[in-house]
Amino acid sequence: TQLLEQSPQFLSIQEGENLTVYCNSSSVFSSLQWYRQEPGEGPVLLVTVVTGGEVKKLKRLTFQFGDARKDSSLHITAAQPGDTGLYLCAGARSNDYKLSFGAGTTVTVRA
Amino acid sequence: SQTIHQWPATLVQPVGSPLSLECTVEGTSNPNLYWYRQAAGRGLQLLFYSVGIGQISSEVPQNLSASRPQDRQFILSSKKLLLSDSGFYLCAWSLLGGTQPQHFGDGTRLSIL
Repeated sequence: TQLLEQSPQFLSIQEGENLTVYCNSSSVFSSLQWYRQEPGEGPVLLVTVVTGGEVKKLKRLTFQFGDARKDSSLHITAAQPGDTGLYLCAGARSNDYKLSFGAGTTVTVRA
Repeated sequence: SQTIHQWPATLVQPVGSPLSLECTVEGTSNPNLYWYRQAAGRGLQLLFYSVGIGQISSEVPQNLSASRPQDRQFILSSKKLLLSDSGFYLCAWSLLGGTQPQHFGDGTRLSIL
């Protein structure tokens, strides 16, 4: 079973629309990371959130870490075709060398 | 700056043949190293990780093995490949400490015939 549940699994929207991807768990994490992956390449880190309730903004992307540090969301405003990709969340716990990855959300932005 | 190299990019192997995938990191010392497998469009399954030379932790029982002969070299091997070993294999490194972000190579697409 997946420690981190991502939803939705697939998301297809028109250019200019907004979207939100969710990452939920019953476990507490010391930090939560978001990655974006394009076909045939490795994932690339977008952001790390470490404080409960934290909100980080990267241009049109807004990341939020839940108060209890069990969940996170990624919101994209005015999506562009360049935002197309597989979005992965990953949780880290203290005293653990590993990350737990969600199953990913495939986002397609149509021009 | 740090870089990670993974090769080959694609590989087609017959069932029962051996495997060796190599990953090297430059620009950092004593990194944590990881091997993942990814099904198409899905999340990452951790196969092995290493926190130092000769130290390998296995996450999933299978016919694969990993070795770390040098500080910045991580090798994924198999003596006899199965059809189920097909997939996209990713190597990653991070600084010490599990909360550090991971930096990935470009992956190897392995097809077993």
